[in-house]
Amino acid sequence: NAGVTQTPKFQVLKTGQSMTLQCAQDMNHNSMYWYRQDPGMGLRLIYYSASEGTTDKGEVPNGYNVSRLNKREFSLRLESAAPSQTSVYFCASSKPGQGNQPQHFGDGTRLSIL
Amino acid sequence: SQKIEQNSEALNIQEGKTATLTCNYTNYSPAYLQWYRQDPGRGPVFLLLIRENEKEKRKERLKVTFDTTLKQSLFHITASQPADSATYLCAPSPSYNQGGKLIFGQGTELSVKP
Repeated sequence: NAGVTQTPKFQVLKTGQSMTLQCAQDMNHNSMYWYRQDPGMGLRLIYYSASEGTTDKGEVPNGYNVSRLNKREFSLRLESAAPSQTSVYFCASSKPGQGNQPQHFGDGTRLSIL
Repeated sequence: SQKIEQNSEALNIQEGKTATLTCNYTNYSPAYLQWYRQDPGRGPVFLLLIRENEKEKRKERLKVTFDTTLKQSLFHITASQPADSATYLCAPSPSYNQGGKLIFGQGTELSVKP
């Protein structure tokens, strides 16, 4: 069982470059999430997708865009990377619910912006 | 605004003892509260969910309590083992009608010494 797969695992970018982080899940979940995790800050929600074709901003959406390509895939794009976006990015998925469904996480993308 | 607080200092205990981790929340009343475990370099893994009308939930050596009056959840690991060493995250649901979103605390690092 692959669960949630994120690519790449590591990436170094220069300020101003763009890139897309990929996420795919094989659990047939409707809901998918993108978080960033910084030391001492915990996980903060960037964007959320309740179902294919819908996306919603989370707590820290500025500087990011997302695409829910199909039910399996949810990508996160940095159009013009900034050093403040250096972080570990996690993708997660869950069944639909009201906070009563466990979220399943990938192992993250470690992104450094120089 | 909704706020989650976990012990910021690492918890160091001896093998065989009970570890107790605290999660406090303010300015709202979550319907559900989840606990996750995160190992270094990995994504969080779901452990337990407790509902607002449940005082206590158990799973093997794990026990979670949910005190809606104190606005606090306690997470206990009994007969702790070095393999329990990890960071533990609490995640209350934000409020009703917010889909599957969770608000994560910053986590408490637990170290169990042999």
